[in-house]
Amino acid sequence: ETGVTQSPTHLIKTRGQQVTLRCSSQSGHNTVSWYQQALGQGPQFIFQYYREEENGRGNFPPRFSGLQFPNYSSELNVNALELDDSALYLCASSLEEGRGGELFFGEGSRLTVL
Amino acid sequence: GEDVEQSLFLSVREGDSSVINCTYTDSSSTYLYWYKQEPGAGLQLLTYIFSNMDMKQDQRLTVLLNKKDKHLSLRIADTQTGDSAIYFCAETPVSGGYNKLIFGAGTRLAVHP
Repeated sequence: ETGVTQSPTHLIKTRGQQVTLRCSSQSGHNTVSWYQQALGQGPQFIFQYYREEENGRGNFPPRFSGLQFPNYSSELNVNALELDDSALYLCASSLEEGRGGELFFGEGSRLTVL
Repeated sequence: GEDVEQSLFLSVREGDSSVINCTYTDSSSTYLYWYKQEPGAGLQLLTYIFSNMDMKQDQRLTVLLNKKDKHLSLRIADTQTGDSAIYFCAETPVSGGYNKLIFGAGTRLAVHP
């Protein structure tokens, strides 16, 4: 049990729709990052938020966006969904930016795009 | 570039040791991780090693780091059926900050009686 919780656990959308995924960080963790894990692959870094600002981004288009709230919870928004967006989306939190080591993941939100 | 490679599959007998290998490309990586993923689940942090170390032991787990060859390994002693899962190696390239992990494709460990 990592203390990182994500919702919803599963959801189905159709092409062109928009989706919002949510993450609550482990208590005391102020840095959150999001990853996309396609079937049979390792997770890929989408972006990171620290103190409510995006401060690192992977190779994902602008239709992937996010927010971090004052309580350090976070959202991942994906617009204009495509079939290839079907994946497990993982949220990870850590104690603070600039300190490596313990990076804990939630159980993920599995998105299916039809 | 940033790349992490792992062998895709490993089969061991229950009670034997398992060794999962990984190579990475960014010699500046500060932390290197091992995560475990069971079917349908998220990632469980098993252990991590700081780049100025060459070995870390934690109960049944031993991590070896060879910085010269950019090679990381995870040894699981006395492997049990509950260890059957996918194991991911990950590096933290200096360009991305500590929370940007580059993962390998994962090694599927199968433990048989």
